[in-house]
Amino acid sequence: DAGITQSPRHKVTETGTPVTLRCHQTENHRYMYWYRQDPGHGLRLIHYSYGVKDTDKGEVSDGYSVSRSKTEDFLLTLESATSSQTSVYFCAISPMDRGKSSYNSPLHFGNGTRLTVT
Amino acid sequence: GDSVTQMEGPVTLSEEAFLTINCTYTATGYPSLFWYVQYPGEGLQLLLKATKADDKGSNKGFEATYRKETTSFHLEKGSVQVSDSAVYFCALTQNTNAGKSTFGDGTTLTVKP
Repeated sequence: DAGITQSPRHKVTETGTPVTLRCHQTENHRYMYWYRQDPGHGLRLIHYSYGVKDTDKGEVSDGYSVSRSKTEDFLLTLESATSSQTSVYFCAISPMDRGKSSYNSPLHFGNGTRLTVT
Repeated sequence: GDSVTQMEGPVTLSEEAFLTINCTYTATGYPSLFWYVQYPGEGLQLLLKATKADDKGSNKGFEATYRKETTSFHLEKGSVQVSDSAVYFCALTQNTNAGKSTFGDGTTLTVKP
């Protein structure tokens, strides 16, 4: 298994509070992603990173920010949580930085964080 | 932009039945296509993949063929088992787009003994 750890696994928080989710990898890959999973919507990309301090927005980035100060850690922050952000959040990594032969590689996922905003 | 459309679920089958989950995509260029499976409480894991037209991906009795002419990547299994009960996601990745993947909505499969 790819070494991806998400923390916490479960979180209940109140509307308006800040929340930070952590993704830690041991594979030393450049590319990391945050997705959210909601019924009827599959997985939607929130933000991604292509290196330390290099991040970009995905399709549903409003209300979220990210930081990548070390290769192994990718943090997702909800500055002021809302009920619409209740979801399951998945971190993923891609080995495509290993060279052209890795371009067609699948993503490797963590086990997710279930976040409930009350 | 890119998109993936999966047949709506949920799908309920009896053990040993034939399974088809339809997947079609819209994308420019030549994306790689994937099927992922998600078991309860876990993240997605790769089931099979195909990287170019007419490639067939296969794993654990599941198969899917990359059909560029119909922009499809349907998942099939000849005889499902109770242990195949899970959520299945079709996805595509554009190799020139930082590895970002586009996913379908997922299809929940329940297999009854």
